[in-house]
Amino acid sequence: GQNIDQPTEMTATEGAIVQINCTYQTSGFNGLFWYQQHAGEAPTFLSYNVLDGLEEKGRFSSFLSRSKGYSYLLLKELQMKDSASYLCAVMDSNYQLIWGAGTKLIIKP
Amino acid sequence: GAVVSQHPSWVICKSGTSVKIECRSLDFQATTMFWYRQFPKQSLMLMATSNEGSKATYEQGVEKDKFLINHASLTLSTLTVTSAHPEDSSFYICSARFTGFRETQYFGPGTRLLVL
Repeated sequence: GQNIDQPTEMTATEGAIVQINCTYQTSGFNGLFWYQQHAGEAPTFLSYNVLDGLEEKGRFSSFLSRSKGYSYLLLKELQMKDSASYLCAVMDSNYQLIWGAGTKLIIKP
Repeated sequence: GAVVSQHPSWVICKSGTSVKIECRSLDFQATTMFWYRQFPKQSLMLMATSNEGSKATYEQGVEKDKFLINHASLTLSTLTVTSAHPEDSSFYICSARFTGFRETQYFGPGTRLLVL
């Protein structure tokens, strides 16, 4: 079956760095996505990885290792507004997104 | 990024009525749109895949006669919740498949449905 695993909840301190991991097993692979979802709102697109390596976009970076079925989202210089759920999703061979359950990130002052 | 709109953003209705939700891709054409439902503190649940000009593909356990989907044009898909009941109260979110320089999905802002 298809499976996406990510931690349920993480806590970090304002100004610090946090890494959210995601492992996956899917039928085919056409890219891995990270979305941010604030409470009560729809998800917003953060990043896309289809090749191995690190993609950096401002304070956020996303890493992919296809051989290990592994990705992480790295958030630097954490701000209170980064408190949200972070969803990992893999696009399978049918170009359908398979979603993880999301990681709730709590930022403390 | 690309823009997807959803209307209405809030609906409160009586049990037994039907509710139509519209999803529009504003600056790109989307041959495929997706409808999700999300209950509080739970993950997104894919309800159906909507393809322009053809019948929607429903996920297991989703009643196609209750959740009617019409994808009449390359920029518009509609979800109609027929004879809504309180258990249908949820956050309904659409997304549109973007096939530009990379394949991804862009989400609408969601529609909160409350059935009394």
